Amino acid sequence: EVQLVQSAAEVKTPGESLKISCQASGYSFTSNWIAWVRQMPGKGLEWMGIIYPGDSDTTYSPSFQGQVTMSDDKSISTVYLQWSSLKASDTGVYYCARVSKYHFDFWGQGTLVTVSS
Amino acid sequence: SYVLTQPPSVSVAPGQTATITCGGNNIGSKSVHWYQQKPGQAPVLVVYDDSDRPSGIPERFSGSNSGNTATLTISRVEAGDEADYFCQVRDNSNKHYVFGTGTKITVL
Repeated sequence: EVQLVQSAAEVKTPGESLKISCQASGYSFTSNWIAWVRQMPGKGLEWMGIIYPGDSDTTYSPSFQGQVTMSDDKSISTVYLQWSSLKASDTGVYYCARVSKYHFDFWGQGTLVTVSS
Repeated sequence: SYVLTQPPSVSVAPGQTATITCGGNNIGSKSVHWYQQKPGQAPVLVVYDDSDRPSGIPERFSGSNSGNTATLTISRVEAGDEADYFCQVRDNSNKHYVFGTGTKITVL
């Protein structure tokens, strides 16, 4: 059974750094791209970027390029999304999702990130 | 960048048919995928490649795509279908992914 399990909710203050995770299981981790998707409170879904654990290749949405960094650790089948300096506008739920061909077939449960002073 | 436009809301009575549109320039040339998201939950894929259903998704969910509009149709609507629905495509010109603006289905 394919599963993507994300790290717990975080509460941070502006300017802090953060790294959230998404651990995959039930399939060959290096065979599929994984996407990150943001959902701001009460809003729609925004594609942030994708990472290919096979070779750590990444593609970022222009809206998020330079704002976040995606990485992976093949030894524990985990991908990460990190910020070096959080802003209040980064508040939202962040989902990881497995890419199958050109759609997202399995999703993590989401990580709520709250940035507030 | 490529834009996908959906109506903000659609209301439908139980047992009737709900139709959600997703408009985009020449979207008929792309593969369109649809997700259902209930409050407080992660999205779930309900239709992929225009009209295919993942395992476990009822036959009541169907899709089509032609010209500048893709459509998700939910037949014999049930109370449990009340949710937000998002369309999605991959923009082949830059390999970026795009979500539609989302449609809230309300079951009367």
